[in-house]
Amino acid sequence: AQKVTQAQTEISVVEKEDVTLDCVYETRDTTYYLFWYKQPPSGELVFLIRRNSFDEQNEISGRYSWNFQKSTSSFNFTITASQVVDSAVYFCALKGEETSGSRLTFGEGTQLTVNP
Amino acid sequence: NAGVTQTPKFQVLKTGQSMTLQCAQDMNHEYMSWYRQDPGMGLRLIHYSVGAGITDQGEVPNGYNVSRSTTEDFPLRLLSAAPSQTSVYFCASQRVWTGGQPQHFGDGTRLSIL
Repeated sequence: AQKVTQAQTEISVVEKEDVTLDCVYETRDTTYYLFWYKQPPSGELVFLIRRNSFDEQNEISGRYSWNFQKSTSSFNFTITASQVVDSAVYFCALKGEETSGSRLTFGEGTQLTVNP
Repeated sequence: NAGVTQTPKFQVLKTGQSMTLQCAQDMNHEYMSWYRQDPGMGLRLIHYSVGAGITDQGEVPNGYNVSRSTTEDFPLRLLSAAPSQTSVYFCASQRVWTGGQPQHFGDGTRLSIL
């Protein structure tokens, strides 16, 4: 079985602060994929990033960065200089290739509120 | 391209009623799935399909039926609605069922069972 844990249920920051959203995963598969999705107040799910298990390079995209560490089974997401528009629920998700078939498992989500 | 289209966006049902949530994608994706989203529980997989004519159960399949007669459509049927099925339902598609392509999600259907 695979599992994703987002221990932070809610985070509140003031604009321009940096914030890190934690994601810890469990899987028996050697080939797997990790994802982050954003759900703004309007409700749709927006894909942000994908990482596969063989690529531990960190990634930066503008104010967003992701830190993938297989040694700690974590795939954390950092927003630098947060803005009010970053307020959303963020989901981390896992897809194992060998034992989990095509199933995508989501964490419980982290509600991020950025206050002006 | 419309992507993944879900209808209706909102629905209120009485306990015991049946209904079908529609999902259509125009990207020729092999894989389609249905999730429900409940507060504090993330998205949980209900049913999924790896191609036309093939469906399988996800994590929370009880009370729901699906079929996949075409590549484009993947309707979700509630057989006898119960208050516990009050939720937001998302349909998603993915180009092929293997590999790490991201899933594309519809805008969701907010369903209330009274």
